[in-house]
Amino acid sequence: GAVVSQHPSRVICKSGTSVKIECRSLDFQATTMFWYRQFPKKSLMLMATSNEGSKATYEQGVEKDKFLINHASLTLSTLTVTSAHPEDSSFYICSATTGRSKLGNTYEQYFGPGTRLTVT
Amino acid sequence: GEDVEQSLFLSVREGDSSVINCTYTDSSSTYLYWYKQEPGAGLQLLTYIFSNMDMKQDQRLTVLLNKKDKHLSLRIADTQTGDSAIYFCAAGYSTLTFGKGTMLLVSP
Repeated sequence: GAVVSQHPSRVICKSGTSVKIECRSLDFQATTMFWYRQFPKKSLMLMATSNEGSKATYEQGVEKDKFLINHASLTLSTLTVTSAHPEDSSFYICSATTGRSKLGNTYEQYFGPGTRLTVT
Repeated sequence: GEDVEQSLFLSVREGDSSVINCTYTDSSSTYLYWYKQEPGAGLQLLTYIFSNMDMKQDQRLTVLLNKKDKHLSLRIADTQTGDSAIYFCAAGYSTLTFGKGTMLLVSP
């Protein structure tokens, strides 16, 4: 249980175009989804927190007009990279939380496998 | 593909040492990471170790890597209540596979 999928797993696009990445919780309802960006070799940076039916909360320094997040249902969140540029090339990973867990905490996150975006 | 496993829960008393264990399956994983997540926050990179190292120490944190057994551990010395959080192990190179996280509960 608690499987999160992302689609596509890899995408190559031309500079100036927009790309949409989907994050789905397959067997549970996700009250909250997180979008991360991973920089080469190390860091995983939280981009935004997305709650179903409300606007995403963006971290400082993340352009909300460039990285559009829509959490339209309890099982789907999308990240759209608008007017992509080569510097947007990165690994984007989402995670989802159910808001409850067998341990009684609300912070168990289930991660998707990630999407490799390459902008040429 | 890579599979990363962690125990789900660890409870210790303040002042004790905590040891969080992790196993991974892909011997080609070059980097192994420990992330910390506090309630309501995103992942915070704590430390990482290259696959050609056996040990790395950073203040209260000690990472041990047994490549033969594909076993990684994080030891937190003198654990404090502020260390209570979820700790994620991750393995890989350009892409990472995360474990499900270990909830560390530190009691006074």
